[in-house]
Amino acid sequence: AQKITQTQPGMFVQEKEAVTLDCTYDTSDPSYGLFWYKQPSSGEMIFLIYQGSYDQQNATEGRYSLNFQKARKSANLVISASQLGDSAMYFCAMREGGSARQLTFGSGTQLTVLP
Amino acid sequence: SAVISQKPSRDICQRGTSLTIQCQVDSQVTMMFWYRQQPGQSLTLIATANQGSEATYESGFVIDKFPISRPNLTFSTLTVSNMSPEDSSIYLCSVGLAGYNEQFFGPGTRLTVL
Repeated sequence: AQKITQTQPGMFVQEKEAVTLDCTYDTSDPSYGLFWYKQPSSGEMIFLIYQGSYDQQNATEGRYSLNFQKARKSANLVISASQLGDSAMYFCAMREGGSARQLTFGSGTQLTVLP
Repeated sequence: SAVISQKPSRDICQRGTSLTIQCQVDSQVTMMFWYRQQPGQSLTLIATANQGSEATYESGFVIDKFPISRPNLTFSTLTVSNMSPEDSSIYLCSVGLAGYNEQFFGPGTRLTVL
């Protein structure tokens, strides 16, 4: 079974609009972390935001916020005020356990911001 | 935080040859992770390199094809052996640091096999 599911292969958004990228996960481990990374065409992995399973509040980092719904096992990324530079591939990932564990990635969403 | 460098950044190789990719971290870490990203695909874990022990490989990856060395707490190598065009991918190393939520990634090695 897929541990991380991203159902949107591609998304378009108008510049300055907000966009939500979907991510659902599956784990039986009570301790886990959820990540979003941005990958531009250069291939580098840019860390955007992290949500821990025990965190009471949704994580926010500047224009990025994570809509964490634990009961539904969803961790959607919200990008506000989209910019042309936000056009990239976005990956949702999960780590079960502590920082010495590996990440499992979703299939990714290609976001295109339109001028 | 952790700064990770990888060498080479990219290479074009002939089938049947081998390439060794180096990963250097500016902090001492217990585990280092090697991922492969095939064209248009997501990241897949190849193996976990633990200093002082044999690497642990994920299903579908074998030591003969992807031998890994981990001589100390800041360095690791991944060799892609007997390459075929299907090995054309980006290879990334990654570490986690205690006290940091972020998982840190190197810049990647973009490999093309002809």
